[in-house]
Amino acid sequence: DTAVSQTPKYLVTQMGNDKSIKCEQNLGHDTMYWYKQDSKKFLKIMFSYNNKELIINETVPNRFSPKSPDKAHLNLHINSLELGDSAVYFCASSQTRGLGYGYTFGSGTRLTVV
Amino acid sequence: GENVEQHPSTLSVQEGDSAVIKCTYSDSASNYFPWYKQELGKGPQLIIDIRSNVGEKKDQRIAVTLNKTAKHFSLHITETQPEDSAVYFCAATESNTGNQFYFGTGTSLTVIP
Repeated sequence: DTAVSQTPKYLVTQMGNDKSIKCEQNLGHDTMYWYKQDSKKFLKIMFSYNNKELIINETVPNRFSPKSPDKAHLNLHINSLELGDSAVYFCASSQTRGLGYGYTFGSGTRLTVV
Repeated sequence: GENVEQHPSTLSVQEGDSAVIKCTYSDSASNYFPWYKQELGKGPQLIIDIRSNVGEKKDQRIAVTLNKTAKHFSLHITETQPEDSAVYFCAATESNTGNQFYFGTGTSLTVIP
């Protein structure tokens, strides 16, 4: 029973397309995150939602838009995809807004823009 | 904000030897320090953590030490095995009011059989 699940696992698309990545957690956590991992393995936070409220909105292109329909789901929409968007995107969740127990990460979505 | 530095970026050890990864942090308010292991094609997984009220924590072959005064913490893996090969990340946060973890840049560990 997967705790944090992301779909799709792989996404290959052409420049200019619009795509979405979905994330769901069944841990009862109330905070969810999107991270981008580049080819050098750096983990860069993009967004965070707490109970459907946006609490972290890092400097990312406004082509990226998160949506949280409820506290168990956090989706990432990307418009007008560019080559530089190619990366692995991780969803994560945490138990409370206080972070005393760490994140649980999903298995990642490898996005390749051609 | 917090700045976490991690060294080395790559580490190769012979099977059975020990491996040590070191991190430093800048914000003295940070009080929770988890370590994550990322295997190829998978998401990072929490393997051990330490809070600022203790100096050392062990879990079988892995241990973490924390020096609050010097603002550094380390991961120690003893009797390394090939399945320990992965990328390891340290992280830091203030667990009561912080809203994100600050990650190190990762260490790629290779255990040579």
